[in-house]
Amino acid sequence: GENVEQHPSTLSVQEGDSAVIKCTYSDSASNYFPWYKQELGKRPQLIIDIRSNVGEKKDQRIAVTLNKTAKHFSLHITETQPEDSAVYFCAAEDSGTYKYIFGTGTRLKVLA
Amino acid sequence: DTGVSQNPRHKITKRGQNVTFRCDPISEHNRLYWYRQTLGQGPEFLTYFQNEAQLEKSRLLSDRFSAERPKGSFSTLEIQRTEQGDSAMYLCASINLSGTGNFGPGTRLTVT
Repeated sequence: GENVEQHPSTLSVQEGDSAVIKCTYSDSASNYFPWYKQELGKRPQLIIDIRSNVGEKKDQRIAVTLNKTAKHFSLHITETQPEDSAVYFCAAEDSGTYKYIFGTGTRLKVLA
Repeated sequence: DTGVSQNPRHKITKRGQNVTFRCDPISEHNRLYWYRQTLGQGPEFLTYFQNEAQLEKSRLLSDRFSAERPKGSFSTLEIQRTEQGDSAMYLCASINLSGTGNFGPGTRLTVT
């Protein structure tokens, strides 16, 4: 089955700087990779996703890159703001069951 | 609100009692998933349904756990003879045909 690893577990950046979170996955047949943002006490919210037929996707200050050969994908947040502070989870869709396998999360702190 | 809803939002129960949670997915989504999340961890897959069929159950789901999705609409997750280790946030997600998932607000279970 799919296994997802996520790094770093915590990340502190100054406001305005960029933040990068990296994930690796094990199932080469996985085709869908969503990223979720979770604020304290709230549900995970989908912020961006990417499918295996593209290498990069952008949405304003957020971008995701995918390297299928290396089986890793990354979340990039530019011009970080204090409201970006949250826990971010990557996930990979298991190719056989379509369930999401989540990484262990990255706690991002944006320092004002 | 046309998103995923879950009830109750909070449940406190004594060890040994049974509890039941409900999830109402987005109406046009045919796949429904249950996840469990403990503090500081990513969501862990429990089980999922495609329409009314339960297609997979995680090894995390002991025989004290049962889930149903009658008529392929709402779903219930029941935990019998609760244990303190069952304390967690139980999240429901519904997935559309393109694989994009939306989480409900979760039910926080505390077993005393």
